[in-house]
Amino acid sequence: EDKVVQSPLSLVVHEGDTVTLNCSYEVTNFRSLLWYKQEKKAPTFLFMLTSSGIEKKSGRLSSILDKKELFSILNITATQTGDSAVYLCAPSLYGQNFVFGPGTRLSVLP
Amino acid sequence: GAVVSQHPSWVICKSGTSVKIECRSLDFQATTMFWYRQFPKQSLMLMATSNEGSKATYEQGVEKDKFLINHASLTLSTLTVTSAHPEDSSFYICSAGMDRGGTDTQYFGPGTRLTVL
Repeated sequence: EDKVVQSPLSLVVHEGDTVTLNCSYEVTNFRSLLWYKQEKKAPTFLFMLTSSGIEKKSGRLSSILDKKELFSILNITATQTGDSAVYLCAPSLYGQNFVFGPGTRLSVLP
Repeated sequence: GAVVSQHPSWVICKSGTSVKIECRSLDFQATTMFWYRQFPKQSLMLMATSNEGSKATYEQGVEKDKFLINHASLTLSTLTVTSAHPEDSSFYICSAGMDRGGTDTQYFGPGTRLTVL
């Protein structure tokens, strides 16, 4: 059975802190891994990772994938209150869809 | 680019009625669309995969006669919740796949909040 584990499940930090969100997975037919940010409504796309060791960056957010150890991390530096959201990790599988992790609920306090 | 719309954004209905939710990819063609359900404080759960011109593939435990999916064109898929009951109250989200360098990326609609009284 495909499994995705995210940790921590919940995190509270203050503005300016740096956070690291973890995602580990055990899936068959892995193709790529995607990170999404979900605020009040539907998730929005952040990153797609297909190769190990290549960091993707977008502003204060960055992410990297380790296909050997089957995990990915999402880093957010200099956090802002607008970063408060649920961050979802979703491995994409060949011939199938995505398997979503439970999400990490990040709360950034002013 | 890669905008997906859903209509309606919220709906309240009486138990026993049917509700149709539309999902459209506005600026790209999506051969595959996906329907998810999300209960409060839980992650997205895939309900079904919808391919244009063919029958939808339902996940285990999802009643295909209750959740009717029609993928009429490359830009439109509909989910009909038939004979809705209060336990069907949930947030329904669709997504459409776009090929990004050989790998599909999912773009999500804004979701439809269904409340069944």
